[in-house]
Amino acid sequence: DTGVSQNPRHKITKRGQNVTFRCDPISEHNRLYWYRQTLGQGPEFLTYFQNEAQLEKSRLLSDRFSAERPKGSFSTLEIQRTEQGDSAMYLCASSLLSGRGIRDNEQFFGPGTRLTVL
Amino acid sequence: RKEVEQDPGPFNVPEGATVAFNCTYSNSASQSFFWYRQDCRKEPKLLMSVYSSGNEDGRFTAQLNRASQYISLLIRDSKLSDSATYLCVVNMQASSNTGKLIFGQGTTLQVKP
Repeated sequence: DTGVSQNPRHKITKRGQNVTFRCDPISEHNRLYWYRQTLGQGPEFLTYFQNEAQLEKSRLLSDRFSAERPKGSFSTLEIQRTEQGDSAMYLCASSLLSGRGIRDNEQFFGPGTRLTVL
Repeated sequence: RKEVEQDPGPFNVPEGATVAFNCTYSNSASQSFFWYRQDCRKEPKLLMSVYSSGNEDGRFTAQLNRASQYISLLIRDSKLSDSATYLCVVNMQASSNTGKLIFGQGTTLQVKP
């Protein structure tokens, strides 16, 4: 399967603990995105990388959140001192920027990591 | 006002019906438009990109009206398997500048036998 993969698929943690999620994008894709989705809402943008550079961060991404893409391939999203309000589905997506116009913004999503903070 | 607005539904239609979803967006600088489909507890999947001249893919037709900042999706001859949430999605800037997508809340479709 050459799609976007995410691990773990589910994470249950206690308030105050740190958690880390991993995303492996489609291999030739140079852009990687993180989104958060809560029940009944569409995904909300968190941050994105072009290769290893983090180019944009949402105001939703408080200082407890950090994302990295050290070698321009996989990415990790860490949440420190988790709060119950962090409970959500965390989605990763990737795309290929190659001068194809609208198709450059077609993003392909992984299955997500569902986080439950008790 | 939300940046992308959709009627959440649900839309309950019989098999074979034609159903239309509408979406409005607030930022006139928006450049790229998409419809994604999301099944329950699954990830969003790209259904189709929306081109300025409108485009069709089988039973699905997407239209864009930049003057009214309005996007639509028409599904003809609905199938049971079309039951899902349909997300209207907008990108604010030209493709070379940012990849951030803005999602609507989604419109739920239930096709019944």
